[in-house]
Amino acid sequence: GQNIDQPTEMTATEGAIVQINCTYQTSGFNGLFWYQQHAGEAPTFLSYNVLDGLEEKGRFSSFLSRSKGYSYLLLKELQMKDSASYLCAAMDSNYQLIWGAGTKLIIKP
Amino acid sequence: IAGITQAPTSQILAAGRRMTLRCTQDMRHNAMYWYRQDLGLGLRLIHYSNTAGTTGKGEVPDGYSVSRANTDDFPLTLASAVPSQTSVYFCASSDRLAGATEQFFGPGTRLTVL
Repeated sequence: GQNIDQPTEMTATEGAIVQINCTYQTSGFNGLFWYQQHAGEAPTFLSYNVLDGLEEKGRFSSFLSRSKGYSYLLLKELQMKDSASYLCAAMDSNYQLIWGAGTKLIIKP
Repeated sequence: IAGITQAPTSQILAAGRRMTLRCTQDMRHNAMYWYRQDLGLGLRLIHYSNTAGTTGKGEVPDGYSVSRANTDDFPLTLASAVPSQTSVYFCASSDRLAGATEQFFGPGTRLTVL
């Protein structure tokens, strides 16, 4: 079957670094997406990986290992506005997204 | 319009009533999607449309129907609402012709069925 696993909740301190892990199993694979969702709002796109390795975009980086079915999102220099849920989604062979339940990130001052 | 709009923003509905959630995009994306989001669960695909005139069933299609008469609009209809359809509904679109691209989301409709 198709499945995405990520932690339910994480807590980190303002200014620190946090890594949110995601493992996936899909029928075929066309890439791994990370989205950010603030409470009461729509998900917004953060990153896309289809090849192994690290993609860096400002304070956010995303890593993919296709052989391990594993990805992580790395957030540096955490700010209070980074408090949100982070959604991992894998694209299957039909170009449909399979979504994880999301990781709620709590930032403490 | 910029991006994707959804209407209504929220709605309280009596069980058994018919309801249509509206979704319009102005990005000329060929693919559109309807998801529901429930606490503790990931986004679940209800129906999708890869191009105007075609639709497909997602993971949780029962009790819902869609139509795609043109590129811009993708309404979702609940024929006879039940309390288990209480959820937040998101419409999304993507440029499928470009291959694996991100989906853009509307602001959502919060639906309560009593």
